[in-house]
Amino acid sequence: ETGVTQTPRHLVMGMTNKKSLKCEQHLGHNAMYWYKQSAKKPLELMFVYSLEERVENNSVPSRFSPECPNSSHLFLHLHTLQPEDSALYLCASSQDRVSYTEAFFGQGTRLTVV
Amino acid sequence: QKEVEQNSGPLSVPEGAIASLNCTYSDRGSQSFFWYRQYSGKSPELIMFIYSNGDKEDGRFTAQLNKASQYVSLLIRDSQPSDSATYLCAVKVDSWGKLQFGAGTQVVVTP
Repeated sequence: ETGVTQTPRHLVMGMTNKKSLKCEQHLGHNAMYWYKQSAKKPLELMFVYSLEERVENNSVPSRFSPECPNSSHLFLHLHTLQPEDSALYLCASSQDRVSYTEAFFGQGTRLTVV
Repeated sequence: QKEVEQNSGPLSVPEGAIASLNCTYSDRGSQSFFWYRQYSGKSPELIMFIYSNGDKEDGRFTAQLNKASQYVSLLIRDSQPSDSATYLCAVKVDSWGKLQFGAGTQVVVTP
């Protein structure tokens, strides 16, 4: 399997549930990202991991908790979410510390909070 | 706050015509610029990147960069209905590889 794979593709959860999103990359990259995409808004960067270390957290509410156990896997743990958290959550990876590099995206998880 | 600005559209283009998309950015130190295509309900897909001033051509796509004006554009020649999508402009803003995205321009190619 190649590229960036996200699971699940679709998720419906209640506001009291706990769920996790998973991302796996097979590109040999050492940086991974979580983005949130809401309707009619730019992609919002949530978290950046480089070499399994979180290097950025863009004021994301604590109900979103990332985990990066190794350079190929990234998780986003969700708990007590709000309806406004419904969005497309995208994982991406890239080769960091390289001047010119592009990010490759997974297919995303469409999250609906009810 | 570093910003990337795009016209949201929709940009309606007759089939076979040239679609011209524009993007401006605020961080003068930006070095790398990317165009992603996103079909409805799908994830962004990289179609072009450009690092140097001038034009870069890849098939029917041409990216143009003017760092002095902080402006990057994308031309799509011989537009096809399959080009109908939202095009995202992205700017690399630091050494980590983090990208700042614009909100995207929706392109609709009409037969």
